[in-house]
Amino acid sequence: DVVLTQSPLSLPVTLGQPASISCTSSQSLVHSDGSTSLHWFLQRPGQSPRRLIYQVSNRDSGVPDRFSGSGSGTDFILKISRVEAEDVGVYYCMQGTHWPLTFGPGTKVDIK
Amino acid sequence: QVQLVQSGAEVKTPGSSVKVSCRASGGTFTTSTFSWVRQAPGQGPEWMGGIVPIFATAKTAPKFQGRLTITADESTTTAYMALTSLRSDDTAVYYCATDINRPVGASWGQGTLVTVSS
Repeated sequence: DVVLTQSPLSLPVTLGQPASISCTSSQSLVHSDGSTSLHWFLQRPGQSPRRLIYQVSNRDSGVPDRFSGSGSGTDFILKISRVEAEDVGVYYCMQGTHWPLTFGPGTKVDIK
Repeated sequence: QVQLVQSGAEVKTPGSSVKVSCRASGGTFTTSTFSWVRQAPGQGPEWMGGIVPIFATAKTAPKFQGRLTITADESTTTAYMALTSLRSDDTAVYYCATDINRPVGASWGQGTLVTVSS
């Protein structure tokens, strides 16, 4: 199975400041067609996960533009330009290029 | 976007089976990709398997081969996950989700807590 590693695993942030989470894959996530199935999810406390970013850099409907994704191959980053209180939760990357789909261990974001 | 409503919490004994339902509304049921994802207490999500109703054939992660059955009923727009030979480490919240690996809107159910305990 593809192993996804995230860093940091815990990220205390100051409201209004930027934040960045890294996700590294044990294998390239590039499909034969050139697309890359690396997605980002946020799970707020007590809630179901919600997808924020699909295919590396595309924001899902309703996701604020302070969230952005980038990367290629095996290395990916999720950035929050200015953290707001509602951004608290655990962020997971997930790969869908290789079967079975796998998730990273999660990065817990909370407010300092 | 699809709305997903799952069946209620279950308490099971080791060795028994559980079946969780996921009723979908909105969207196009037959061409949506339904995934089952579980999350043990304090752990990250784990993809178990999935099905596209129009194709009927489910894909199951190797870890669950032989214990997991995923089906979909077009007449009731409901997807099902059945897990047999339950163990205590199967205690988790089980989620259904649609299209989490596709470049279209993704949805999640509210989750179903399955507790396995003697």
